[in-house]
Amino acid sequence: EVQLVESGGGLVQPGGSLRLSCIASGFSFSSYNMIWVRQAPGKGLECISYITSYDDTKHYADSVRGRFVVSRNNGMNSLYLQMNSLRDEDTAVYYCARVVAGTAGADYWGQGTLVTVSS
Amino acid sequence: DIVLTQTPLSSLVTLGQPASISCRSSQSLVYSGDGNTYLSWLQQRPGQPPRLLIYKIFNRFSGVPDRFSGSGAETDFTLKISRVEAEDVGVYYCMQATQFPYTFGQGTKLEIK
Repeated sequence: EVQLVESGGGLVQPGGSLRLSCIASGFSFSSYNMIWVRQAPGKGLECISYITSYDDTKHYADSVRGRFVVSRNNGMNSLYLQMNSLRDEDTAVYYCARVVAGTAGADYWGQGTLVTVSS
Repeated sequence: DIVLTQTPLSSLVTLGQPASISCRSSQSLVYSGDGNTYLSWLQQRPGQPPRLLIYKIFNRFSGVPDRFSGSGAETDFTLKISRVEAEDVGVYYCMQATQFPYTFGQGTKLEIK
């Protein structure tokens, strides 16, 4: 069974940092591109980061570029999102999702982890 | 960035009746590298993560009931539910993965009348 489990969310003050993790199981993690998508409370979905299967290409949304860094460890079946200089507007549920090459469908999603940025 | 505009933003549908959601893109979603159109539809039930329904315009993902169908081309796409069931309540999003940043429509809230 394909599973993605996010962790690392919590309450952080503006300007602070957090590192999110996404642990994958049930599939060959190293074969898939991955994305991070966030959803502010009561709002829609925003794709903030993308990383290819072998970490050779990364993309970021303008809203997080220069503050967030995506990485992965294929040996540990893990995806990470280092979030620095956090702002109030970064408050959201953060999801990791698997992207299938050739279809570009985000076919499996984690349950999400809540990040709250507040003083 | 590619902007996806969904209509309607909310839909009240009687059980067993059809529903239709439109997604219009600010530019063609045909990927020049391979000619494919990377337009997907996702469903988000209350309190749940998004779930993939349709990829590349009209391909149903594994386990998705055949009452869901997708159509369209270039910049105009449609998700249709042939007969709405109670479990279909939620928010529906179109998503483009032709160009980064991947973007989503605003979401369409489907409710049962």
